[in-house]
Amino acid sequence: DIQMTQSPSTLSASVGDRVTITCRASQSITRWLAWYQQKPGKAPNLLIYETSSLESGVPSRFSGSGSGTDFTLTISALQPDDSATYYCQQYNTYSFTFGPGTKVDIK
Amino acid sequence: EVQLVESGGGLVQPGGSLRLSCAASGFTFSNYAMTWVRQAPGKGLEWVSCIRGRGDDSYYADSVRGRFTISRDNSQNTLSLQMNSLRAEDTAVYYCAKTRGTNSCGSELNSWGQGILVIVSS
Repeated sequence: DIQMTQSPSTLSASVGDRVTITCRASQSITRWLAWYQQKPGKAPNLLIYETSSLESGVPSRFSGSGSGTDFTLTISALQPDDSATYYCQQYNTYSFTFGPGTKVDIK
Repeated sequence: EVQLVESGGGLVQPGGSLRLSCAASGFTFSNYAMTWVRQAPGKGLEWVSCIRGRGDDSYYADSVRGRFTISRDNSQNTLSLQMNSLRAEDTAVYYCAKTRGTNSCGSELNSWGQGILVIVSS
């Protein structure tokens, strides 16, 4: 199975800050990576697919980049509503593993 | 509007069985692969299983292969997960999710149900 790692595991930032989360795959997944946001007690919500495509309805402050094994999710200007846990997921090779998550808190 | 509603969760003893269902609406169900994802209490997301739109192929995580069976009834727009030989480590919220890709499991999950809790305990 492809192993996914994320860093940092937690981060605390202020409103308006630029935030970057990194996701790394144990082998190449080309561009088959998605990012999800999950708030406590809620189902995950798709933010980004195919590395950099923004899901409909998702604010443009979210963006994704990368290829191969290294990927990033960037929030250009953090908002209070962005407090959540963020997961990456590869869907290049079964089983379609998720990263362990990055919890984002607002200072 | 896509709607996915899970049911069938609850408390079951180790070694027991449980069948989860997911009722889908708002899209042409047979056109899309469907996935189960679970989340143990306080933990991250774990991909469990996926079945293609026509039901002609399915895939499992190593942790559940041989114990869980995914199936679908396209005439009833229903996805199911039969869970046998349950273990304490299967305790989790189980989500059903729709893939974006038509008939392909290798696609992002663009709609999710609210989740259903399964507790495996004596």
